[in-house]
Amino acid sequence: DIQMTQSPSTLSVSVGDRVTITCRASQSISRWLAWYQQKPGKAPKLLIYKASTLERGVPSRFSGSGSGTEFTLTISSQQPDDFATYYCQQYNSYPWTFGQGTKVEIK
Amino acid sequence: EVQLLESGGGLVQPGGSLRLSCVASGFTFSTYAMSWVRQAPGKGLEWVSAISGSGGSTHYADSVKGRFTISRDRFKNTVYLQMNSLRAEDTAVYYCARDHDSSGYPGGSLDYWGQGSLVTVSA
Repeated sequence: DIQMTQSPSTLSVSVGDRVTITCRASQSISRWLAWYQQKPGKAPKLLIYKASTLERGVPSRFSGSGSGTEFTLTISSQQPDDFATYYCQQYNSYPWTFGQGTKVEIK
Repeated sequence: EVQLLESGGGLVQPGGSLRLSCVASGFTFSTYAMSWVRQAPGKGLEWVSAISGSGGSTHYADSVKGRFTISRDRFKNTVYLQMNSLRAEDTAVYYCARDHDSSGYPGGSLDYWGQGSLVTVSA
């Protein structure tokens, strides 16, 4: 199985900060990577797929990059609505696997 | 508007069975693969199973293979997860999710999710 490792596990930021979350795969997954945002008690929301394609309706302050084994989710300017937990997911091969999550909290 | 509505969760004893249902609306059901993803209390996301739009192709996580069965009914616009031989570690909120790709083949990125159905396995 492909292991997905996110860093950091927790991030304390202020509104307006630039936020970067890293996701590493245990083997190459090409660009078959998605990013999700989840708020407490809610279902995950798709932000980005194919490593860098922004899902329709997602604000442009979110961006994704990377290929192979290393990927990044960037929030250019943290907004109050962006405090949440973020997950990466590989879908290069079964079983699809998620990272352990990165909680972005208020500093 | 795309909607996914799960039902069927509840409390079950270890070794017992439960069937989850997910009724879909707002899109052409047969052209999209569907998945189940679970989340144990306070934990991260775990993909469980996927089924192609036709129902002819299914995939499972190792942790549920041989115990869980995914299926779909195109007339009822419903995807199911039959869960047998349940264990305490199967306790989780189970989400039904639609594949982003409309090819009918499980692509992997999931664009619409249900509200979740809680399954608790306990004596």
